[in-house]
Amino acid sequence: QVTLRESGPALVKATQTLTLTCTFSGFSLSAPGMCVSWVRQSPGKALEWLARIDWDDDKYYSASLKTRVTISKDPSKNQVVLTMINVDPLDTATYYCARIRTMGYLDFWGQGTQVTVSS
Amino acid sequence: QFVLTQPPSASGTPGQRVSISCSANRSSIEIKTVSWYQQVPGATPKLLISFNNERPSGVPDRFSGSKSGTSGALTISGLQPEDEADYYCATWVDSLKSLVFGGGTKLTVL
Repeated sequence: QVTLRESGPALVKATQTLTLTCTFSGFSLSAPGMCVSWVRQSPGKALEWLARIDWDDDKYYSASLKTRVTISKDPSKNQVVLTMINVDPLDTATYYCARIRTMGYLDFWGQGTQVTVSS
Repeated sequence: QFVLTQPPSASGTPGQRVSISCSANRSSIEIKTVSWYQQVPGATPKLLISFNNERPSGVPDRFSGSKSGTSGALTISGLQPEDEADYYCATWVDSLKSLVFGGGTKLTVL
C-alpha cells in the first residue's frame, strides 16, 4: 500500500525559507522508475507542479520557481524534501507530494499540508 | 510558454454524457500522454486516467480518456451526482522537462 504524508510549518514569514518533508511508504525511491513530485494549490486556484526527483537523482523544476526551489531525497528514510527560499504571501497554498510515474502521471497523493506565508 | 486549456466549467444532468477538453497551445510540442485528476471540494486530487485511456483500479468505467494530437478529453458516460468536482488534465512535456496542469474544469451535476 502506497502512502505519502507531507509535514512542515503551517505558517512562515515572508523572505524566510520553507522546508517541507514528504514521508512515504509502499515503494522505494531507489527502485528504477520511481519518482516523487511536489504540487501546490493556492486557495481557489488550479494545481501547480513544482518539482520532481527521480530514483537516479535526476531533478526537474518548474521554470517559474527553479531559482527558489530545491528538491532532494533520502531513500534510507523514505523522504523527499522541498526547500523554497525567499517565500512570499503568494506562496500561500496547500502543498502536496505525490508519486509520479515516468510516463508523467501522479498515481498516489499525500493529503496535503497548508502553508500560510505572512507579510 | 506551454499551456493546457480546459473549459472553466461544464454541467450535465444525472445519466448524461459529458466531455471535458484539454488543448495545448503549441502544436510543435507533442503530447505523448494525458492524465486526468478529480478533486472533490476540500479533498486531495485523485488520479482518474493515468495515461490516455488507462483507468487505475477502483475508478468506475464510466470515466474514459482520449488523446488526439495536441489535445485530450475526459468523458463521463452516465453522470452521477458524486461526479460533481473539479477536473484537471496534465501532461509531462519532455522538451520542457516539466509537468503541466490544465486550469481545471468545475463540473456541476444539475
